[in-house]
Amino acid sequence: ETGVTQSPTHLIKTRGQQVTLRCSSQSGHNTVSWYQQALGQGPQFIFQYYREEENGRGNFPPRFSGLQFPNYSSELNVNALELDDSALYLCASSFRTVRGSGNTIYFGEGSWLTVV
Amino acid sequence: DQQVKQNSPSLSVQEGRISILNCDYTNSMFDYFLWYKKYPAEGPTFLISISSIKDKNEDGRFTVFLNKSAKHLSLHIVPSQPGDSAVYFCAASRTGGFKTIFGAGTRLFVKA
Repeated sequence: ETGVTQSPTHLIKTRGQQVTLRCSSQSGHNTVSWYQQALGQGPQFIFQYYREEENGRGNFPPRFSGLQFPNYSSELNVNALELDDSALYLCASSFRTVRGSGNTIYFGEGSWLTVV
Repeated sequence: DQQVKQNSPSLSVQEGRISILNCDYTNSMFDYFLWYKKYPAEGPTFLISISSIKDKNEDGRFTVFLNKSAKHLSLHIVPSQPGDSAVYFCAASRTGGFKTIFGAGTRLFVKA
């Protein structure tokens, strides 16, 4: 068990709605990353938060946004949901050093989002 | 732009034999490589990693080999057990970077 917890585990939303997914980092970790995993694919990087600021973003539109809180927990918000947003959303925490090298990320169990 | 590639979607191995999972990467800036295992309905679990300054790292039944000149790494599982049946993801990152990039995964079946 990694100590990374996510909620909710499953949810169903209607196209056009908004969703918020939550994540608590592993104790001692200062960085949170969010990934989207569609069926049959590997996790795709959405963005990373470090010191409460977005530290980097993958190829996802602005309707994907996030927050990191002082206790290093995090939220992923998706607006104007589309059918293709249906996927497993994974939160991963890590401890980022000053050099930012050799960081192993640890995943939570994920939140399954279905958009109908 | 697939920087990390796992060309075998699936692999079937007899219990007790060796499982070899392969991974290729294209970005020579990658200097840290990882393997994760994923069971259905669970998040990926970290297995083993290797820094680019090494060419081998071992942890129990799991060994990762890195060939930098070929931009290739492999995960060896010896001996394979039925509980090893899962999807295995290869991943890579670089110093100063902010993201870990994953391959599409290889599904391993270990037959009893």
